[in-house]
Amino acid sequence: GESVGLHLPTLSVQEGDNSIINCAYSNSASDYFIWYKQESGKGPQFIIDIRSNMDKRQGQRVTVLLNKTVKHLSLQIAATQPGDSAVYFCAENAGSYIPTFGRGTSLIVHP
Amino acid sequence: EAGVAQSPRYKIIEKRQSVAFWCNPISGHATLYWYQQILGQGPKLLIQFQNNGVVDDSQLPKDRFSAERLKGVDSTLKIQPAKLEDSAVYLCASSLVASGNGGEQFFGPGTRLTVL
Repeated sequence: GESVGLHLPTLSVQEGDNSIINCAYSNSASDYFIWYKQESGKGPQFIIDIRSNMDKRQGQRVTVLLNKTVKHLSLQIAATQPGDSAVYFCAENAGSYIPTFGRGTSLIVHP
Repeated sequence: EAGVAQSPRYKIIEKRQSVAFWCNPISGHATLYWYQQILGQGPKLLIQFQNNGVVDDSQLPKDRFSAERLKGVDSTLKIQPAKLEDSAVYLCASSLVASGNGGEQFFGPGTRLTVL
């Protein structure tokens, strides 16, 4: 079946480095993608979104890149801080407005 | 602005018992979602409400799960009877408009259910 998945379950980085979290999707009908951050004991928190008519979108310290050719999107976090430690999920919507979440990547930031 | 409220935060029950979760969305948010998040996985949508109507409940196990949003505001999710595999965090989220229309979802802290 079609699904959203992540390449790396855990990513460890040093404070100040840039982080890149990847997500692969297989539903070619997906037209809206969202990245969420989930800290322990909390619900997911919206970080940034992108529509399929865009390749790149930037926020504060975060950038999402969408490659529709290979059905891949990534989240780049600049100057990673300890407070960025969390599990990151990508989610896709494919017209039915039902978001499908991937498995998640755990980002660990070492001081 | 107050966030999405959920209660209880934790619940431990034995299998075959019943349990109910409550969610109060952000004021004015028309769309409400219930998700199930099993440990180590991403949230899975169970049901989506638009005001007090169900938009989609295709992933809700209707033989044991039920949900309602009678007045288009608060919502309850019930499991009766519970099974061991229902152990998970149940997340409620709300958005001003449906997510696919660009409506940002705001999540509550969740209710952690343990079924023994």
